[in-house]
Amino acid sequence: AQSVTQLDSQVPVFEEAPVELRCNYSSSVSVYLFWYVQYPNQGLQLLLKYLSGSTLVKGINGFEAEFNKSQTSFHLRKPSVHISDTAEYFCAVRENNAGNMLTFGGGTRLMVKP
Amino acid sequence: DADVTQTPRNRITKTGKRIMLECSQTKGHDRMYWYRQDPGLGLRLIYYSFDVKDINKGEISDGYSVSRQAQAKFSLSLESAIPNQTALYFCATSGLAGADTGELFFGEGSRLTVL
Repeated sequence: AQSVTQLDSQVPVFEEAPVELRCNYSSSVSVYLFWYVQYPNQGLQLLLKYLSGSTLVKGINGFEAEFNKSQTSFHLRKPSVHISDTAEYFCAVRENNAGNMLTFGGGTRLMVKP
Repeated sequence: DADVTQTPRNRITKTGKRIMLECSQTKGHDRMYWYRQDPGLGLRLIYYSFDVKDINKGEISDGYSVSRQAQAKFSLSLESAIPNQTALYFCATSGLAGADTGELFFGEGSRLTVL
């Protein structure tokens, strides 16, 4: 069965600094991978996704993630964060033979400080 | 207007009461889902429906029931609410298999507090 681990529950960072939010998954089959962002008092919205092809995926708001099959990771990065990036970030995985069931990680709260 | 609309957005109730959370969507998707969000646990799937006649239990269905009244409407019920059902509930939709990348489209959430 698929599972997702987000290694950091909170990541504090200063504005304009780089950030990496870590995500590892386990699955016995090929997967699709997603990052969602949840701003305060809002629902989740898709940040980026990996389905196939290039392992470096670019998303909205300057975020990118790299799929590493050998390390079963899909870490999210941004070279320079803004205050407005303060939010909770969720990594999710979907096995290709599992219909459409996403499994979510526990979330990482990114706190950008001025 | 939002593509996925949840009502109510906030609800406080007492133990033992029956509660219904409603979800409607204008995306034309066949697939609809109810998730529960708890701090540190991410989102966990309660129930899902691939079409009007299809209802499936998710990871944590005990204590919940659902009704798919139409393609666009999917409601979640707590027949007898208990305090550990206090959480943020999300409805989501996705497209058809084959034309579906797996992306979910979420409502803004319904915060339920059970006293």
